[in-house]
Amino acid sequence: GDSVTQMEGPVTLSEEAFLTINCTYTATGYPSLFWYVQYPGEGLQLLLKATKADDKGSNKGFEATYRKETTSFHLEKGSVQVSDSAVYFCALSSGGYNKLIFGAGTRLAVHP
Amino acid sequence: EAQVTQNPRYLITVTGKKLTVTCSQNMNHEYMSWYRQDPGLGLRQIYYSMNVEVTDKGDVPEGYKVSRKEKRNFPLILESPSPNQTSLYFCASSLSRDRGQPQHFGDGTRLSIL
Repeated sequence: GDSVTQMEGPVTLSEEAFLTINCTYTATGYPSLFWYVQYPGEGLQLLLKATKADDKGSNKGFEATYRKETTSFHLEKGSVQVSDSAVYFCALSSGGYNKLIFGAGTRLAVHP
Repeated sequence: EAQVTQNPRYLITVTGKKLTVTCSQNMNHEYMSWYRQDPGLGLRQIYYSMNVEVTDKGDVPEGYKVSRKEKRNFPLILESPSPNQTSLYFCASSLSRDRGQPQHFGDGTRLSIL
């Protein structure tokens, strides 16, 4: 069945460092891909999405490109801030209804 | 403000005592679903609903029930809770079942079953 694999955390960075969180997927057909972010004590918020191959999703300085050839959707940010500390989830949606398949999540901690 | 509201936020209860977690959305969304979040597993779908009176099982439906009598509400029912249902639960909604539609999540309900 469909699945998402993302790098294990925690990821610890200093402020202004470059961030990459790897995400790869397995799916039949042509899934839509998402990154969600979860701040402490809150629900998940959509960070960005891409619905077809070579699309780039971007928001708040974060970017991810839908790479069909490598089945990947890596999350990047050029300069992280302390306020980016959260858990990041990669997810896909495929098939005839909007079920999200999530990766295990990657905790990011950014220190001043 | 567009939102998905879950209640309660926290609940500690005992094995076998029926409970209901309510979920309500104010965005006139057709599609709603319930997920549970467990460490190392991410979120897994329990049940979903494509519209009023239309519900179906997700990946981990055992021990749960749902209903969708009104478009805005989608309660999750645990008729006889057991300790393995201790988890963090999220309700989510989206405009339609189209797979490109982003889902809006509630703030979560942390259930502890003793």
